[in-house]
Amino acid sequence: EPEVTQTPSHQVTQMGQEVILRCVPISNHLYFYWYRQILGQKVEFLVSFYNNEISEKSEIFDDQFSVERPDGSNFTLKIRSTKLEDSAMYFCASILMSDYYEQYFGPGTRLTVT
Amino acid sequence: GENVEQHPSTLSVQEGDSAVIKCTYSDSASNYFPWYKQELGKRPQLIIDIRSNVGEKKDQRIAVTLNKTAKHFSLHITETQPEDSAVYFCAARWGAQKLVFGQGTRLTINP
Repeated sequence: EPEVTQTPSHQVTQMGQEVILRCVPISNHLYFYWYRQILGQKVEFLVSFYNNEISEKSEIFDDQFSVERPDGSNFTLKIRSTKLEDSAMYFCASILMSDYYEQYFGPGTRLTVT
Repeated sequence: GENVEQHPSTLSVQEGDSAVIKCTYSDSASNYFPWYKQELGKRPQLIIDIRSNVGEKKDQRIAVTLNKTAKHFSLHITETQPEDSAVYFCAARWGAQKLVFGQGTRLTINP
C-alpha cells in the first residue's frame, strides 16, 4: 500500500537556524497538509496546499514558515529562524481529491530546537 | 473559528469493559468525523470514521455515533483489551479542508 514518507525522522537544530522538513506524498494525491504536535498536546493544523499554492494556513503559520512543492514529488516545510517553541513532531498528510475523506499521515519528523 | 472539544482527557477502564469518548464540534458545515489512535512517538492511525449522512457506524469492537443536530459524536470501544491503551483523538473536517482535532483522551486498560 502506498505511504506518505517524511525525512528526516529526527532533526536537532540550534535556535535561529533554518530547517527544511521533507515529505513525499502519495504519488497521485493532489491535496497536501502540514500539521504539528507539541509533546503531550493535540495535533494542530499548519497549512494546506493545492494546485501549487497555499489554500489555507493557521495563525501558527507565520512569516517564519513556508512550503514548497519544488519538483512534483517532494513537499517541504521550511522554518527560517527556529525558536525553542518550534520543538514538536511535524506530520505531513495528503489526500487524493477533495471528495476523498481519509487523510494519509506520514510518520512524522521530530524537531528539537536547542 | 472551528473548534472540537473532547472529553474525558483521561479514561481508565477494566479489561473487558466498554469505553466511551465524546466530542463536540462548532462548525455545522463539517461533514467528516474521523477517530485516530496514537501510540507514543507514532503517527495518528485512523481507526474509524463517519460521514455526516450517517448516524452510526460499527467495525467489530469499535463504533462511532453522530448527532448532527447537537453537533456531537462519540467513540465506543467494547470488550476492551490491553492493546487498546493509547491516546485517542477525534477530528472534524469539511470537504478537503483541514482536520480540526480534539485535545485527545489517554485511555488506559487495566488488566
